[in-house]
Amino acid sequence: GNSVTQMEGPVTLSEEAFLTINCTYTATGYPSLFWYVQYPGEGLQLLLKATKADDKGSNKGFEATYRKETTSFHLEKGSVQVSDSAVYFCALSDLSSGGYQKVTFGTGTKLQVIP
Amino acid sequence: ETGVTQSPTHLIKTRGQQVTLRCSSQSGHNTVSWYQQALGQGPQFIFQYYREEENGRGNFPPRFSGLQFPNYSSELNVNALELDDSALYLCASSLKGGANYGYTFGSGTRLTVV
Repeated sequence: GNSVTQMEGPVTLSEEAFLTINCTYTATGYPSLFWYVQYPGEGLQLLLKATKADDKGSNKGFEATYRKETTSFHLEKGSVQVSDSAVYFCALSDLSSGGYQKVTFGTGTKLQVIP
Repeated sequence: ETGVTQSPTHLIKTRGQQVTLRCSSQSGHNTVSWYQQALGQGPQFIFQYYREEENGRGNFPPRFSGLQFPNYSSELNVNALELDDSALYLCASSLKGGANYGYTFGSGTRLTVV
């Protein structure tokens, strides 16, 4: 079945540092890939997405490129802020054997940015 | 446009009891999916409803059931609660096939089973 593997956290960075959170996936079809962010006490928010190979998703200074050859979708940001502290989830969406779009999430990576 | 609204926000139940969680989907979204998120884990897919029918289910026992109403709102029912059912339950709405473009999530219901 499909699966998503993320680097384990927590990741602690100083403000303005460069961020990379690694994500690799296993899928049988041609999935869409996502990063979601979860702030404390809240649900998940879609951060960015890419629907086909070589697409780059971007939002709020975050970027991720769909790399089919390495089955990866690493999240990057050039300069993190304290307000970026949250849990980040990598996810994929693919057509299941039951004919519906099934979304599979990674286990999440907690990011803490210190001033 | 309105987002996804879930109720209640917090709930404490005793083992063996039954619980109903509610979700109002984002305006225009006709598909609702439910997820269980244990502490420190990623969301696990429970099931999905489209046009008032369940059209996809994850590895959850039959005591997890649901409904979708004509206005696309939804309920998640859990019978015979177990301690391991303690989790954050998330509702996500989308257009059919729209999960391929991203869900809109509610803030969740925190269920504690004692």
